[in-house]
Amino acid sequence: DTEVTQTPKHLVMGMTNKKSLKCEQHMGHRAMYWYKQKAKKPPELMFVYSYEKLSINESVPSRFSPECPNSSLLNLHLHALQPEDSALYLCASSQGGRPYGYTFGSGTRLTVV
Amino acid sequence: TQLLEQSPQFLSIQEGENLTVYCNSSSVFSSLQWYRQEPGEGPVLLVTVVTGGEVKKLKRLTFQFGDARKDSSLHITAAQPGDTGLYLCAGGDQGGKLIFGQGTELSVKP
Repeated sequence: DTEVTQTPKHLVMGMTNKKSLKCEQHMGHRAMYWYKQKAKKPPELMFVYSYEKLSINESVPSRFSPECPNSSLLNLHLHALQPEDSALYLCASSQGGRPYGYTFGSGTRLTVV
Repeated sequence: TQLLEQSPQFLSIQEGENLTVYCNSSSVFSSLQWYRQEPGEGPVLLVTVVTGGEVKKLKRLTFQFGDARKDSSLHITAAQPGDTGLYLCAGGDQGGKLIFGQGTELSVKP
């Protein structure tokens, strides 16, 4: 299995809703990432998990809450989002902490209304 | 802060033409990667270059890493409509983060 699977593919949520994005990989990668991408822009790093521990938080607002239940799963919990948070949310994984090639999921297209 | 300057940002060419995309920085990177992204999908890794001066070929795509490991280029020979997409270079910094260039949006018209 050489894929990163993200669910759901599309999500529309109100500003008072609570929702979660899920990411799964079975490549044995020990580092997992959340990125946010706006249209026509490069991905922006949000969080890095290394060996199931949060190692980097790029000053992301607390309305985004990551969770790594085990080495194969990564969640992003969403609460009280703003319309400007609408974007493509990408999960990625890589071997260890050195960026020798990331495998990205197809992303979740999030719309906040 | 390490930055990657990617150029051009937009490129529209006819099928069969050649093109080169550049990725430059004033900083040294431990590795550079090139990704291609189609609309609504995640980036797909094309290649990772690690050694200064390294050249890698992937069918009609040729990737080069500068001798000083500060820059890279992607050359596409005889572009095809299927090459259309967003091309991203990305560099690995010493802190374990992947830094992306601004991307090059390539459109190849039949």
